[in-house]
Amino acid sequence: AAGVIQSPRHLIKEKRETATLKCYPIPRHDTVYWYQQGPGQDPQFLISFYEKMQSDKGSIPDRFSAQQFSDYHSELNMSSLELGDSALYFCASSTGGKRGGTEQYFGPGTRLTVT
Amino acid sequence: GENVEQHPSTLSVQEGDSAVIKCTYSDSASNYFPWYKQELGKRPQLIIDIRSNVGEKKDQRIAVTLNKTAKHFSLHITETQPEDSAVYFCAASARYNAGNMLTFGGGTRLMVKP
Repeated sequence: AAGVIQSPRHLIKEKRETATLKCYPIPRHDTVYWYQQGPGQDPQFLISFYEKMQSDKGSIPDRFSAQQFSDYHSELNMSSLELGDSALYFCASSTGGKRGGTEQYFGPGTRLTVT
Repeated sequence: GENVEQHPSTLSVQEGDSAVIKCTYSDSASNYFPWYKQELGKRPQLIIDIRSNVGEKKDQRIAVTLNKTAKHFSLHITETQPEDSAVYFCAASARYNAGNMLTFGGGTRLMVKP
């Protein structure tokens, strides 16, 4: 079965640079979520989109922005990168949007290292 | 907002024994409770979930129970195997959130000794 696709899988950037992470949800999934996971920590919710509209917002820094496109893929744009942004970034997708309580399936993640 | 606490943070069992991980949540509006297994450097994998209209759910060696009154839920793994070794996360989500974000517990590192 098709899974969530994320690219790139690994990314190395320097402080103050920008980065763009991409997420392709499972076919026919209309909702995309972004999570950040630091070493030894649980995933922290950043932002989600349902039918190309932002549906929920968590602890996403103002330096980050995201959007969902007409083909349902999503991109997370990160600017003025800081050392503390180094983490695994996961995208997850689900169906059902506003209905709630639907299974979220995670992509393989993008490991961002800021030097 | 929702707060999910998970215990224990580490759990070591002998192969064949049972393992139990417990979580509590704070938001009475939460109605969906998934469990994820995560191996080092890999994605969280959904292993079982339960909704607030059900008290217990079982899938082979894995079972989850939910007590809405006490706001806690538990994961039970029977006949543990070395390949069960991983970090397990509980999570909670509320219906009123469009896009139903998950709030995760702190994780439990399960080690199954052969």
